[in-house]
Amino acid sequence: QVQLVQSGAEVMKPGASVKVSCKASGYIFTNYGINWVRQAPGQGLEWMGWISTDNGNTNYAQKLQGRVTLTTDTSTNTAYMELRSLRSDDTAVYYCARGRYSSGSSYFDYWGQGTLDTVSS
Amino acid sequence: DIQMTQSPSTLSASVGDRVTITCRASQNIGNWLAWYQQKPGKAPKVLIYKASSLESGVPSRFSGSGSGTEFTLTISSLQPDDFATFYCQQYYSHPETFGQGTKVEI
Repeated sequence: QVQLVQSGAEVMKPGASVKVSCKASGYIFTNYGINWVRQAPGQGLEWMGWISTDNGNTNYAQKLQGRVTLTTDTSTNTAYMELRSLRSDDTAVYYCARGRYSSGSSYFDYWGQGTLDTVSS
Repeated sequence: DIQMTQSPSTLSASVGDRVTITCRASQNIGNWLAWYQQKPGKAPKVLIYKASSLESGVPSRFSGSGSGTEFTLTISSLQPDDFATFYCQQYYSHPETFGQGTKVEI
C-alpha cells in the first residue's frame, strides 16, 4: 500500500533551518510528483511547492521563494523540504503529499502523517 | 493566485442531515477542483476530485458538483464519522490554493 512516512517533530530557534524528510513506499516513486503543504496551528492549508521526482523540476509558492528548497533522493525514494531563516510564523505542521498527476498542478491522493516544526527562542 | 472562498465557515448539523458546502473560485478553473476532509491531528483525506469524481473507498453519501467558478460538496445523510473540517482545493494551476475550510460540528 502507498505510504509516505515523515521525519519527527523538531524545535528550532529563529533564523535557523529545518529539513523534513518524506520516505515513500508502495508505488513507483518517479511516477508521481511530491508536494509540500503546511498548516499553522488552528489555521488552514497552505501549498508550499512541488517537485518532479522524475527530473527534479520544482515550483515554489511565491511567498517562500528563496527560503525553501525541495529535493529528492531516488535511490531511497525520499523527498526533502528545507526551510531557511525560520520565523515564528513558520511554526506549523508540514505535510508531504503525492500529486495524482506526474507533472503540473494536481490534487493530492496520499499524505504523510505530518511533522510539527516549532520555531521558538 | 486563484482565490478559493468557502461558505459557511462553520456549520452546525445533526446526524442524518443533508449538508451542502459551497466553494467559489476567483476565476474559471474548469472542473479542476478537489474536496478534502480533515479530522483533528490527522492529514487531510481526498474525497472528491475533478469536481464530481468520488475517490476510491469514499462513501457514496459524499458527492460533488459544479464547474467554472462555483462548486458544492454535499453529504446526503450526515454520519457521526463525518464531523470534521472540509477544504476545497483548485489544481487548475500552480500555486494550488485551498479554501479556508468549513467546520462541520454537532
